[in-house]
Amino acid sequence: DVVMTQSPLSLSVTLGQPASFSCRSSQSLLYSDGNSYLSWFQQRPGQSPRRLLYKASNRDSGVPDRFSGSGSGTDFTLTISGVEAEDVGIYYCMQGTYWAPVTFGQGTRLEIK
Amino acid sequence: QLQLQESGPGLVKPSQTLSLTCTVSGGSINSDNYYWSWIRQHPEKGLEWIGHISYSGTPSYNPSLKSRVSISIDTSKTHFSLELNSVTAADTAVYYCARGSIGSKVDSWGQGTLVTVSS
Repeated sequence: DVVMTQSPLSLSVTLGQPASFSCRSSQSLLYSDGNSYLSWFQQRPGQSPRRLLYKASNRDSGVPDRFSGSGSGTDFTLTISGVEAEDVGIYYCMQGTYWAPVTFGQGTRLEIK
Repeated sequence: QLQLQESGPGLVKPSQTLSLTCTVSGGSINSDNYYWSWIRQHPEKGLEWIGHISYSGTPSYNPSLKSRVSISIDTSKTHFSLELNSVTAADTAVYYCARGSIGSKVDSWGQGTLVTVSS
């Protein structure tokens, strides 16, 4: 299985300040079609996950542009340019390049300082 | 707008079979462009992919569950289903159904349903 490792596990950020989430995979996520199938999901308290980004850096429709993604190979980053109160929750990365199984990181919990 | 809704018993006895259905609305299940997945989340824990199926393809399962799981699709009735047999307390979780493109695998999620395994 491809192991996805996220860091830090918890992040406390002041409103309006940036937040950065790291995700590393145990194998390169570059697929033969040239894409890296790395997605980022946000899970707000009591809600189901919502996808924010796909193929490492493509924002889903309706996702605020303060969310951005970067990275390739085995190292990926999700950045929030200025944290807002509604961003509180757990952020997961997920790889879809290799299956079975599709695998998720353990999550990073974001709270407001 | 695509909507996914899980349904099934919220309580299952140990050693029995967990059966859930995901009803798809606002989009067609009859497409080879998507995978239809089941994912679970143990209480206060992370996410575990159970498996997926395409409209016409062979299902694919997490090797850790493969001996106990079956995913099927009913294209005429716009739903797909999960069966997990020989359940134990370790199978207590929120179960989500989801859809994803062939590449990314998961994009849209249902609201989830809590299944408790207990006698």
